[in-house]
Amino acid sequence: EIVLTQSPATLSLSPGERATLSCRASQSVSTYLAWYQEKPGQAPRLLIYDTSNRATGIPARFSGSGSGTDFTLTISSLEPEDFAVYYCQQRFLWPPGFGGGTKVEIK
Amino acid sequence: EVQLLESGGGLVQPGGSLRLSCAASGFTFSSYGMSWVRQAPGKGLEWVSVITESGGYTYYADSVKGRFTISRDNSKNTLFLQMNSLRAEDTAVYYCAKSLHIGTHKDFFDYWGQGTLVTVSS
Repeated sequence: EIVLTQSPATLSLSPGERATLSCRASQSVSTYLAWYQEKPGQAPRLLIYDTSNRATGIPARFSGSGSGTDFTLTISSLEPEDFAVYYCQQRFLWPPGFGGGTKVEIK
Repeated sequence: EVQLLESGGGLVQPGGSLRLSCAASGFTFSSYGMSWVRQAPGKGLEWVSVITESGGYTYYADSVKGRFTISRDNSKNTLFLQMNSLRAEDTAVYYCAKSLHIGTHKDFFDYWGQGTLVTVSS
């Protein structure tokens, strides 16, 4: 089973700053990695799939990169609504698991 | 507009059973694989089970294999999760989720329901 390790666990930033979130896989997942955003009391929302493709309606300030075992989600300039928990997920190998999450909080 | 609405959660004793439902609308339900994903209180996301578009194939996480059964009724656009032999560690919000792509059961999830809380406790 592939283990996805997200870092840091918590990221404290101010609105307008750049956020860089990491997801590392225990073995290669090629480019089959996605990112989700979760806010309290809401369902997760798909942001990025297949490493770098933005899902429908996702603003351009969200971007993804990487391949193999190391992936990055970048939020170019944090908006107030971006403070949330972010999860990565792989679909390359069975089972399609998630990382432990990174919380982006207001500094 | 895609909508997924779960129901059937509640409080159940250890060893008990519960059946969750997910009513889908706004897309061609019979064309997509559907999954259940859960989130224990204060924890991360855990994929539970997936069923292919026709219902012909089902897959489960090791943690629920042999206890949970996923099924679907394409005539009623509804997904189900029958949960038996429930344990305290099954306590979680259960989400139904739609596969992003047509034709694969190993996928990302582009739409999620709001979730239904299952609490296993005596």
